[in-house]
Amino acid sequence: ETAVFQTPNYHVTQVGNEVSFNCKQTLGHDTMYWYKQDSKKLLKIMFSYNNKQLIVNETVPRRFSPQSSDKAHLNLRIKSVEPEDSAVYLCASRDWGSYEQYFGPGTRLTVL
Amino acid sequence: GEQVEQRPPHLSVREGDSAFIICTYTDSATAYFYWYKQEPGAGLQLLMSVFSNVDRKEEQGLTVLLNKKDKRLSLNLTAAHPGDSAVYFCAVSPLAVNTGNYKYVFGAGTRLKVIA
Repeated sequence: ETAVFQTPNYHVTQVGNEVSFNCKQTLGHDTMYWYKQDSKKLLKIMFSYNNKQLIVNETVPRRFSPQSSDKAHLNLRIKSVEPEDSAVYLCASRDWGSYEQYFGPGTRLTVL
Repeated sequence: GEQVEQRPPHLSVREGDSAFIICTYTDSATAYFYWYKQEPGAGLQLLMSVFSNVDRKEEQGLTVLLNKKDKRLSLNLTAAHPGDSAVYFCAVSPLAVNTGNYKYVFGAGTRLKVIA
């Protein structure tokens, strides 16, 4: 199956903990994204990688750090989570020369 | 930077009726336009994409209209059914796809409820 996969589906943690989310795409794309979707469904781009290189880094707190081992994988680590980090984190991918992005199912983070 | 406004935020229609969603954007250089559907607990599903040289595109009960003069994009779902209940997002992107500045700007979403 070719798609964008994300793990875990849900994660509940406490303030100050560290969390990591994983994203893998089997679409053969070379560009991947992390988006944050808040409780009002607003979508904001956080990071973008092309072939393991960071190309977009929006203004996000420094406790967020993306990591890419190869063009098919993009992870997101949040060091010392805060309550405002509660959201759905969506991963997406596309071909560098193409316009359409394809999204994973998201990881819902709840910070208590 | 680009600003996208989407309305209405909530829309309720009866089964068989049409649902109409509008987005307006600000940057005349915007080149690509997208509609996504997000069902509860799921990611975004690409419904349709159009390039700026297209005024109208129809696929499987969906009609997208693009008015570049007014910078307006619309989605019409004809004969809506309960399975169409979801949040719908418009998104726009610039022409320069092979640059680090290429990114989507999303509307705020429209929560559609189709009543049987």
